[in-house]
Amino acid sequence: DIQMTQSPSSLSASVGDRVTITCRASQGISNYLAWFQQKPGKAPKSLIYAASSLQSGVPSKFSGSGSGTDFTLTISSLQSEDFATYYCQQYNRYPYTFGQGTKVEIK
Amino acid sequence: QVQLVQSGAEVKKPGASVKVSCRASGYTFISYYMHWVRQAPGQGLEWMGIINPSGGSTTYAEMFQGRVTMTRDTSTSTVYMELSSLRSEDTAVYYCARGGTNQRFDYWGQGTLVTVSS
Repeated sequence: DIQMTQSPSSLSASVGDRVTITCRASQGISNYLAWFQQKPGKAPKSLIYAASSLQSGVPSKFSGSGSGTDFTLTISSLQSEDFATYYCQQYNRYPYTFGQGTKVEIK
Repeated sequence: QVQLVQSGAEVKKPGASVKVSCRASGYTFISYYMHWVRQAPGQGLEWMGIINPSGGSTTYAEMFQGRVTMTRDTSTSTVYMELSSLRSEDTAVYYCARGGTNQRFDYWGQGTLVTVSS
Protein backbone atom coordinates (compact mmCIF):
# COMPACT_ATOMS: atom_id res chain seq x y z
CA ASP A 1 0.00 0.00 0.00
CA ILE A 2 1.08 3.58 -0.60
CA GLN A 3 1.77 5.39 2.67
CA MET A 4 0.85 9.07 2.91
CA THR A 5 2.67 11.15 5.51
CA GLN A 6 1.53 14.64 6.40
CA SER A 7 3.45 17.27 8.32
CA PRO A 8 2.96 18.82 10.68
CA SER A 9 0.37 16.80 12.59
CA SER A 10 -0.93 20.01 14.08
CA LEU A 11 -0.19 23.70 13.94
CA SER A 12 -1.31 26.89 15.63
CA ALA A 13 -1.83 29.95 13.50
CA SER A 14 -3.49 33.35 13.62
CA VAL A 15 -6.16 34.83 11.42
CA GLY A 16 -4.44 36.26 8.35
CA ASP A 17 -1.49 33.88 8.46
CA ARG A 18 -0.27 31.96 5.45
CA VAL A 19 -0.29 28.24 6.23
CA THR A 20 1.42 25.39 4.39
CA ILE A 21 0.85 21.68 4.95
CA THR A 22 2.98 19.05 3.28
CA CYS A 23 2.15 15.51 2.21
CA ARG A 24 4.64 12.87 1.09
CA ALA A 25 3.79 9.63 -0.69
CA SER A 26 5.87 6.49 -0.17
CA GLN A 27 6.04 6.04 -3.94
CA GLY A 28 5.30 8.15 -6.97
CA ILE A 29 1.62 8.91 -7.56
CA SER A 30 1.93 11.38 -10.45
CA ASN A 31 -0.64 14.07 -9.63
CA TYR A 32 -3.36 11.77 -8.26
CA LEU A 33 -3.50 13.68 -5.00
CA ALA A 34 -6.50 15.24 -3.28
CA TRP A 35 -6.96 17.44 -0.22
CA PHE A 36 -9.95 17.46 2.11
CA GLN A 37 -11.09 19.70 4.96
CA GLN A 38 -13.01 18.29 7.90
CA LYS A 39 -14.64 20.17 10.75
CA PRO A 40 -15.69 18.44 14.00
CA GLY A 41 -18.79 16.31 13.59
CA LYS A 42 -19.01 16.97 9.85
CA ALA A 43 -18.27 15.01 6.71
CA PRO A 44 -15.04 15.84 4.90
CA LYS A 45 -15.24 18.43 2.17
CA SER A 46 -13.30 18.08 -1.06
CA LEU A 47 -10.96 21.03 -1.65
CA ILE A 48 -8.40 20.09 -4.30
CA TYR A 49 -7.95 17.27 -6.79
CA ALA A 50 -5.21 16.40 -9.28
CA ALA A 51 -2.77 18.03 -6.85
CA SER A 52 -3.60 21.59 -7.86
CA SER A 53 -7.15 21.82 -9.27
CA LEU A 54 -9.71 23.56 -7.09
CA GLN A 55 -12.99 21.78 -6.51
CA SER A 56 -15.95 23.83 -7.73
CA GLY A 57 -17.01 26.42 -5.15
CA VAL A 58 -13.78 26.30 -3.13
CA PRO A 59 -12.27 29.76 -2.57
CA SER A 60 -9.01 30.63 -4.29
CA LYS A 61 -7.20 31.16 -0.99
CA PHE A 62 -6.66 27.41 -1.12
CA SER A 63 -3.98 26.17 -3.48
CA GLY A 64 -2.13 22.93 -4.04
CA SER A 65 1.09 21.97 -5.73
CA GLY A 66 3.41 19.06 -6.30
CA SER A 67 3.84 15.93 -8.33
CA GLY A 68 5.39 12.53 -7.84
CA THR A 69 5.90 12.12 -4.11
CA ASP A 70 5.86 15.61 -2.56
CA PHE A 71 2.82 17.85 -2.32
CA THR A 72 1.71 20.97 -0.48
CA LEU A 73 -1.56 22.63 0.47
CA THR A 74 -1.40 26.36 1.10
CA ILE A 75 -4.00 28.61 2.66
CA SER A 76 -3.02 32.13 1.69
CA SER A 77 -4.78 34.06 4.45
CA LEU A 78 -6.27 32.00 7.25
CA GLN A 79 -9.80 32.91 8.30
CA SER A 80 -11.82 31.68 11.27
CA GLU A 81 -13.78 29.24 9.11
CA ASP A 82 -10.54 27.54 8.01
CA PHE A 83 -9.74 26.11 11.42
CA ALA A 84 -10.21 22.40 10.81
CA THR A 85 -8.36 19.17 10.10
CA TYR A 86 -6.92 18.68 6.62
CA TYR A 87 -6.24 15.33 4.95
CA CYS A 88 -4.35 14.42 1.81
CA GLN A 89 -5.25 11.31 -0.17
CA GLN A 90 -3.72 9.42 -3.06
CA TYR A 91 -6.02 7.96 -5.69
CA ASN A 92 -3.35 6.61 -8.01
CA ARG A 93 -3.63 3.02 -6.86
CA TYR A 94 -5.96 0.86 -4.77
CA PRO A 95 -6.26 0.89 -1.84
CA TYR A 96 -6.70 4.63 -1.81
CA THR A 97 -4.91 5.92 1.27
CA PHE A 98 -5.08 9.05 3.38
CA GLY A 99 -2.56 11.00 5.37
CA GLN A 100 -3.04 11.05 9.13
CA GLY A 101 -4.38 14.58 9.10
CA THR A 102 -3.16 18.04 10.08
CA LYS A 103 -5.16 19.92 12.69
CA VAL A 104 -5.07 23.69 12.21
CA GLU A 105 -5.85 25.47 15.47
CA ILE A 106 -6.21 29.06 16.54
CA LYS A 107 -3.12 30.60 18.15
CA GLN B 1 -27.52 19.63 -7.09
CA VAL B 2 -25.66 16.45 -6.20
CA GLN B 3 -26.82 14.94 -2.92
CA LEU B 4 -25.85 11.75 -1.13
CA VAL B 5 -28.18 10.92 1.74
CA GLN B 6 -27.21 8.10 4.07
CA SER B 7 -29.30 5.99 6.42
CA GLY B 8 -29.48 6.63 10.14
CA ALA B 9 -27.30 5.58 13.04
CA GLU B 10 -27.12 1.92 14.01
CA VAL B 11 -26.26 0.05 17.19
CA LYS B 12 -25.17 -3.55 16.73
CA LYS B 13 -23.88 -6.35 18.89
CA PRO B 14 -20.52 -8.01 18.22
CA GLY B 15 -20.82 -10.67 15.55
CA ALA B 16 -23.81 -9.04 13.88
CA SER B 17 -23.96 -7.37 10.47
CA VAL B 18 -24.91 -3.84 9.47
CA LYS B 19 -26.13 -2.49 6.14
CA VAL B 20 -25.75 1.21 5.43
CA SER B 21 -27.45 2.88 2.49
CA CYS B 22 -26.52 5.92 0.42
CA ARG B 23 -29.19 7.39 -1.87
CA ALA B 24 -27.92 9.56 -4.69
CA SER B 25 -29.72 12.38 -6.47
CA GLY B 26 -28.94 15.28 -8.78
CA TYR B 27 -26.92 13.34 -11.35
CA THR B 28 -26.98 10.21 -13.49
CA PHE B 29 -26.49 7.47 -10.91
CA ILE B 30 -24.86 4.86 -13.15
CA SER B 31 -22.29 7.30 -14.54
CA TYR B 32 -20.24 7.67 -11.36
CA TYR B 33 -18.53 5.18 -9.07
CA MET B 34 -19.18 5.30 -5.33
CA HIS B 35 -16.60 4.94 -2.56
CA TRP B 36 -17.04 3.96 1.06
CA VAL B 37 -14.77 5.37 3.75
CA ARG B 38 -14.90 5.04 7.51
CA GLN B 39 -13.60 7.06 10.44
CA ALA B 40 -13.24 5.63 13.93
CA PRO B 41 -13.78 8.05 16.83
CA GLY B 42 -10.94 10.58 16.97
CA GLN B 43 -9.11 8.84 14.13
CA GLY B 44 -8.34 9.43 10.47
CA LEU B 45 -10.05 8.34 7.27
CA GLU B 46 -9.89 4.78 5.98
CA TRP B 47 -10.89 3.72 2.46
CA MET B 48 -13.02 0.58 2.36
CA GLY B 49 -13.78 0.06 -1.29
CA ILE B 50 -15.57 1.17 -4.43
CA ILE B 51 -18.53 0.08 -6.51
CA ASN B 52 -19.41 0.78 -10.11
CA PRO B 53 -23.18 1.36 -10.08
CA SER B 54 -23.39 0.63 -13.79
CA GLY B 55 -22.43 -3.03 -13.67
CA GLY B 56 -22.10 -3.60 -9.95
CA SER B 57 -18.39 -4.46 -10.03
CA THR B 58 -16.51 -3.85 -6.80
CA THR B 59 -13.00 -3.47 -5.43
CA TYR B 60 -12.46 -3.84 -1.71
CA ALA B 61 -9.56 -2.92 0.53
CA GLU B 62 -7.75 -6.07 1.56
CA MET B 63 -8.41 -5.51 5.25
CA PHE B 64 -12.16 -5.74 4.63
CA GLN B 65 -12.12 -8.61 2.13
CA GLY B 66 -14.52 -11.33 3.17
CA ARG B 67 -16.46 -9.06 5.54
CA VAL B 68 -17.71 -6.25 3.30
CA THR B 69 -20.23 -6.35 0.48
CA MET B 70 -21.14 -3.34 -1.64
CA THR B 71 -24.24 -3.48 -3.80
CA ARG B 72 -26.49 -1.11 -5.65
CA ASP B 73 -30.11 -0.68 -6.68
CA THR B 74 -30.35 1.32 -9.88
CA SER B 75 -34.13 1.66 -9.56
CA THR B 76 -33.71 3.79 -6.43
CA SER B 77 -30.22 5.23 -7.14
CA THR B 78 -28.99 3.71 -3.91
CA VAL B 79 -25.75 1.98 -2.98
CA TYR B 80 -25.35 -0.22 0.05
CA MET B 81 -22.42 -1.23 2.22
CA GLU B 82 -22.83 -4.30 4.39
CA LEU B 83 -20.21 -5.19 6.98
CA SER B 84 -20.43 -8.53 8.75
CA SER B 85 -18.86 -10.15 11.84
CA LEU B 86 -18.82 -6.80 13.56
CA ARG B 87 -16.40 -6.15 16.40
CA SER B 88 -15.92 -3.17 18.68
CA GLU B 89 -13.15 -1.83 16.43
CA ASP B 90 -15.74 -1.35 13.67
CA THR B 91 -17.38 1.42 15.68
CA ALA B 92 -17.03 4.37 13.32
CA VAL B 93 -18.76 6.86 11.09
CA TYR B 94 -19.21 5.40 7.62
CA TYR B 95 -19.29 7.72 4.61
CA CYS B 96 -20.16 7.25 0.99
CA ALA B 97 -18.43 9.54 -1.48
CA ARG B 98 -18.96 9.90 -5.21
CA GLY B 99 -16.07 9.05 -7.48
CA GLY B 100 -15.64 11.71 -10.13
CA THR B 101 -13.09 11.80 -12.93
CA ASN B 102 -10.40 9.18 -12.25
CA GLN B 103 -12.49 8.12 -9.26
CA ARG B 104 -11.46 11.19 -7.31
CA PHE B 105 -13.79 12.02 -4.42
CA ASP B 106 -16.03 14.97 -5.16
CA TYR B 107 -19.24 14.75 -3.09
CA TRP B 108 -19.70 13.11 0.32
CA GLY B 109 -22.66 11.77 2.23
CA GLN B 110 -23.39 13.09 5.70
CA GLY B 111 -22.08 9.95 7.40
CA THR B 112 -23.68 7.11 9.38
CA LEU B 113 -22.54 6.26 12.89
CA VAL B 114 -22.32 2.54 13.53
CA THR B 115 -21.76 1.57 17.16
CA VAL B 116 -20.77 -1.98 18.02
CA SER B 117 -21.34 -2.78 21.66
CA SER B 118 -22.51 -5.69 23.74
